[in-house]
Amino acid sequence: NAGVMQNPRHLVRRRGQEARLRCSPMKGHSHVYWYRQLPEEGLKFMVYLQKENIIDESGMPKERFSAEFPKEGPSILRIQQVVRGDSAAYFCASSLGGATSEQYFGPGTRLTVT
Amino acid sequence: DQQVKQNSPSLSVQEGRISILNCDYTNSMFDYFLWYKKYPAEGPTFLISISSIKDKNEDGRFTVFLNKSAKHLSLHIVPSQPGDSAVYFCAAKLGNEKLTFGTGTRLTIIP
Repeated sequence: NAGVMQNPRHLVRRRGQEARLRCSPMKGHSHVYWYRQLPEEGLKFMVYLQKENIIDESGMPKERFSAEFPKEGPSILRIQQVVRGDSAAYFCASSLGGATSEQYFGPGTRLTVT
Repeated sequence: DQQVKQNSPSLSVQEGRISILNCDYTNSMFDYFLWYKKYPAEGPTFLISISSIKDKNEDGRFTVFLNKSAKHLSLHIVPSQPGDSAVYFCAAKLGNEKLTFGTGTRLTIIP
């Protein structure tokens, strides 16, 4: 029973390039959440998606960041024109949905912007 | 505005003794609370959770206590083992929504 999968595990981008982070939820899970952990900080919510719908994007920066969860395939977090401040660990979590459902996390993608 | 707070950045406990990690929250609307354990360079691992309608939940060596009037929850680990050394995050949510995390407590178990 595979857990949440994220790739790549490590991503290095130069300033101004685009970063694409992928997340495949656990089998049977249709709710996906993205979180970001900056160095020496806790995890901060970014966006919550269900298949083909963005439910809550209140934690997403207004510019350069976007997310999708298509009907087929993984969820994608896209960062355009990356800057040094985007360097962080990005974690994806999935759940069955429901008030008492736990979120299960992937191993994360560590983005380094040079 | 930090709605979930873990005021102890670190904690050291002797192997075999009890580890108690604390967490405070400010939003009384939160209705579900979770504890996660995190090793370096890995994602958080779910440990145990508790609904706001309960005051205690136990799973093996892990017990979570919830005091709604004080807006406080704690995680007890007994007996503590070397493999428990990690960063522990408490998190809270309202309904089916996002998790709000504390800043974490680094637990070190001393052999």
